[in-house]
Amino acid sequence: GNSVTQMEGPVTLSEEAFLTINCTYTATGYPSLFWYVQYPGEGLQLLLKATKADDKGSNKGFEATYRKETTSFHLEKGSVQVSDSAVYFCALSDKGAQKLVFGQGTRLTINP
Amino acid sequence: GAGVSQSPRYKVAKRGQDVALRCDPISGHVSLFWYQQALGQGPEFLTYFQNEAQLDKSGLPSDRFFAERPEGSVSTLKIQRTQQEDSAVYLCASSLGRRPDQPQHFGDGTRLSIL
Repeated sequence: GNSVTQMEGPVTLSEEAFLTINCTYTATGYPSLFWYVQYPGEGLQLLLKATKADDKGSNKGFEATYRKETTSFHLEKGSVQVSDSAVYFCALSDKGAQKLVFGQGTRLTINP
Repeated sequence: GAGVSQSPRYKVAKRGQDVALRCDPISGHVSLFWYQQALGQGPEFLTYFQNEAQLDKSGLPSDRFFAERPEGSVSTLKIQRTQQEDSAVYLCASSLGRRPDQPQHFGDGTRLSIL
């Protein structure tokens, strides 16, 4: 079945550091890929998405590229801020079904 | 505009009791989803509605779990004879259409604790 694997957390960085959170997936066909973020005390929010191979999703300085050859969708940001502290979830939805399959989440803490 | 609203935010019940969790999706959203999120884990799919039709209930863990969306808007997730393993955050999400690449909008969830 479909699955998503994220790098284990927690991840702690200093402000202005470079961020990478790894995500790989297993799916039949060509799924749509998403990153969702959960800030402290808030609900899940869509951060970015990509729907086909080589697409790049971007938002709020975050980027992720849909890599079919490596079945990956790694999240990157060039310079993180304290306000980026949150839990990040990688997810996919198969073309044949709308339900999302999530990774286990990566808790990110940015220190000033 | 209003987002997805879930109630109650917190629910404590004794083992064996029945509970009902409510979800008000974004107005006009066709698709509605329920997920279960255990502590420290990602959400796991429970069930999916397109308007009032329940098209996928493959994630419901047992026949104690039942969901409905009778008028294609508000949805209720009911858990009968609750067990301790039912303790989790229950998330509701809605999306505008039927396409799998459309983003889902999540509510803040109901945190269910079974004593």
